[in-house]
Amino acid sequence: GDSVTQTEGPVTLSEGTSLTVNCSYETKQYPTLFWYVQYPGEGPQLLFKVPKANEKGSNRGFEATYNKEATSFHLQKASVQESDSAVYYCALSDPGYNQGKLIFGQGTKLSIKP
Amino acid sequence: EAAVTQSPRNKVAVTGGKVTLSCNQTNNHNNMYWYRQDTGHGLRLIHYSYGAGSTEKGDIPDGYKASRPSQENFSLILELATPSQTSVYFCASGGDWGEYEQYFGPGTRLTVL
Repeated sequence: GDSVTQTEGPVTLSEGTSLTVNCSYETKQYPTLFWYVQYPGEGPQLLFKVPKANEKGSNRGFEATYNKEATSFHLQKASVQESDSAVYYCALSDPGYNQGKLIFGQGTKLSIKP
Repeated sequence: EAAVTQSPRNKVAVTGGKVTLSCNQTNNHNNMYWYRQDTGHGLRLIHYSYGAGSTEKGDIPDGYKASRPSQENFSLILELATPSQTSVYFCASGGDWGEYEQYFGPGTRLTVL
């Protein structure tokens, strides 16, 4: 079945350093890919989505490219801030097989030290 | 502003008791979902619904029932609560055809003693 695997956390970085959270997926269809962010005490919120292969999504300085050949969707940010401390989830929606359902990775907890 | 709300936000229940978690959405979405979140497991789908009157089993439905009496409301029911159901529960709406993204509520922290 469909699956999503992402960088195992927790990840601790210093403010101003660069971030990469790896995300790899398995599916037989053509998914839309998502990154969600969850701040402490809140529900997950959509960071951005990318519906088409070879396109890039971005929001709040974060970006990821939908790489169909490598089946990857790595999250990157050039310079992290303390306010980026959160849990990040990669997810896919497989319209052909699990209509409406999202398959989430296990989440990566990110902590940024000032 | 469109939103997903959950009640209660915190709940302490006794083993064997009945617990009902409620969710309301003003997004006018057809689809609604219930997840639980546990350390090491991320988000796991319990039940979902495609519209009023419909409920479908997710990946971990055992011990849970769901009810969708209207477009706006979706409830999760624990008939006989157990300590293993202690968790944080999230409701979401969305996933409608062509959009797929889901919008989450703030969560309910349930403790079963």
